[in-house]
Amino acid sequence: EPEVTQTPSHQVTQMGQEVILRCVPISNHLYFYWYRQILGQKVEFLVSFYNNEISEKSEIFDDQFSVERPDGSNFTLKIRSTKLEDSAMYFCASTRDRNRDEQFFGPGTRLTVL
Amino acid sequence: KNEVEQSPQNLTAQEGEFITINCSYSVGISALHWLQQHPGGGIVSLFMLSSGKKKHGRLIATINIQEKHSSLHITASHPRDSAVYICAVSGFQGAQKLVFGQGTRLTINP
Repeated sequence: EPEVTQTPSHQVTQMGQEVILRCVPISNHLYFYWYRQILGQKVEFLVSFYNNEISEKSEIFDDQFSVERPDGSNFTLKIRSTKLEDSAMYFCASTRDRNRDEQFFGPGTRLTVL
Repeated sequence: KNEVEQSPQNLTAQEGEFITINCSYSVGISALHWLQQHPGGGIVSLFMLSSGKKKHGRLIATINIQEKHSSLHITASHPRDSAVYICAVSGFQGAQKLVFGQGTRLTINP
């Protein structure tokens, strides 16, 4: 069964460093999302991506964040200069039809900023 | 004010019991989603529904659009059902992102 994959599973970085979180969505899906979950809190939307551009972003998704789909299979989230408060689990999700289909989630990347 | 409210926040039950988790939302939506999050953190979609009722194995999800309320039921609960169950809505303010509730931590004791 097709699944969304994410790498790495755990990333530890120093404050101020750049990180890139990688996702491979399900191959025939068209809509891609990043969500994050700070420990003990609810899951929050970061950004959605369709047709090679951002379709919606939250207030969290400021200039330090960027997304791209560089090669038609990978979907990446970059944090330019990490802060302590960026420590969270980051989930990638994808769906084929955003109005009819459920979103499929990857296993998540746990980001720890020291 | 949270757009999505779940109750209870925590639920402990004995194996075999019938479980109900409730979700209320405050705005117009196009669909409601029930998801399961296991201790390792992974999230799995259980249901996406916009009206009526859906059933998958021992899980049943219902939604009442007029009352802006949904319930997730688990029949003949089992310890392996122990997880966090999350209600989320899409179509809020015309967007298709998911807006999540806080989750309900379910523990089923043998």
